[in-house]
Amino acid sequence: KQEVTQIPAALSVPEGENLVLNCSFTDSAIYNLQWFRQDPGKGLTSLLLIQSSQREQTSGRLNASLDKSSGRSTLYIAASQPGDSATYLCAVANAGGTSYGKLTFGQGTILTVHP
Amino acid sequence: DARVTQTPRHKVTEMGQEVTMRCQPILGHNTVFWYRQTMMQGLELLAYFRNRAPLDDSGMPKDRFSAEMPDATLATLKIQPSEPRDSAVYFCASAQIGERTEAFFGQGTRLTVV
Repeated sequence: KQEVTQIPAALSVPEGENLVLNCSFTDSAIYNLQWFRQDPGKGLTSLLLIQSSQREQTSGRLNASLDKSSGRSTLYIAASQPGDSATYLCAVANAGGTSYGKLTFGQGTILTVHP
Repeated sequence: DARVTQTPRHKVTEMGQEVTMRCQPILGHNTVFWYRQTMMQGLELLAYFRNRAPLDDSGMPKDRFSAEMPDATLATLKIQPSEPRDSAVYFCASAQIGERTEAFFGQGTRLTVV
């Protein structure tokens, strides 16, 4: 059974800092990994998708890396802003069999960026 | 603007009542997920469908929950009878399994059972 862990559970930083959020998963047989953002009371917004054959993806100030063999992904946020405050969730999609594409989520990292 | 649409956005109901939540997946997507989110458990997968066929509903309490896809444009999640412990936010997501499998989520249905 796939298990996804995110560290830290919460993070509070001053504006302008570069920061790293971590995600680890137990079963390396994944199809892809997605990072989501969730604002309070809202749905999940997809930030970055990394296919299992890729090592990283970038979108603006966000960079996500994937090391499938070690079961790890990191989300790097450069020059953080108060608007980045949200919960960040990592999800892996299973590869193979009837569970193909099944998404398993971590518990999330609650990020607060203060001015 | 393709998006997953969920209705209702909010639902307050009395214990014992039937609740039906609806989801319209993105047109052309062949996979639909139902998740439940609570503070204690985070996001839990309840059920998911591929090409309208149920693939995995092991996360769903079978005695009171049921999920169906009557057609490709509609997925439903039903709770009968509802209980206070069912209070949560229920999310639907859809994806097209293929070269780029990216899941898109609806805004959720916030359910309160009193």
